[in-house]
Amino acid sequence: NAGVTQTPKFRVLKTGQSMTLLCAQDMNHEYMYWYRQDPGMGLRLIHYSVGEGTTAKGEVPDGYNVSRLKKQNFLLGLESAAPSQTSVYFCASKTGIKETQYFGPGTRLLVL
Amino acid sequence: GENVEQHPSTLSVQEGDSAVIKCTYSDSASNYFPWYKQELGKGPQLIIDIRSNVGEKKDQRIAVTLNKTAKHFSLHITETQPEDSAVYFCAASPRSGGSYIPTFGRGTSLIVHP
Repeated sequence: NAGVTQTPKFRVLKTGQSMTLLCAQDMNHEYMYWYRQDPGMGLRLIHYSVGEGTTAKGEVPDGYNVSRLKKQNFLLGLESAAPSQTSVYFCASKTGIKETQYFGPGTRLLVL
Repeated sequence: GENVEQHPSTLSVQEGDSAVIKCTYSDSASNYFPWYKQELGKGPQLIIDIRSNVGEKKDQRIAVTLNKTAKHFSLHITETQPEDSAVYFCAASPRSGGSYIPTFGRGTSLIVHP
């Protein structure tokens, strides 16, 4: 049972490039979330999903898109990366019944 | 929406001392309050949580208190150890029933000096 995994661990992009961050969970959780963490800002919700095939916007969705084609995977896309998207990205998941969120190890993204 | 304020942003203590981190929230509908610990280079991990029908909860050296009237809750760590050094986040949310969207505080960096 690997829990929540994130791919890649670290990435450097040039402004305007695109990329996809992958989050995978093997706990059969219904809910999945993408957060970004910036110094002194805590965790801010980008997008979330309450089930396969559903997605919704969070607090800071601009510049990001997501997809949940399979229950165990939640993808975060950056179509045209900007330096303001330099951050550490965390994925989390939880069951539909309990509140406890399980976080992945994070993806560190640097946009030059 | 919910607004969570967390203080202090940095807390430095000597090993064996107690540490207290405080959070306030704005939405009276919030009734679930988790605390997360984030070690360097890792994702946050739940260490304790409390629901609105309880005023205090303990788990070994860690305790959380909740004052719903004043809309604040606190994390207490007793007999601190160097391995307690980490960033701690509080959060507030209505209980899961529909979409579960916790609002996080900005974090407290706890440093425990040996």
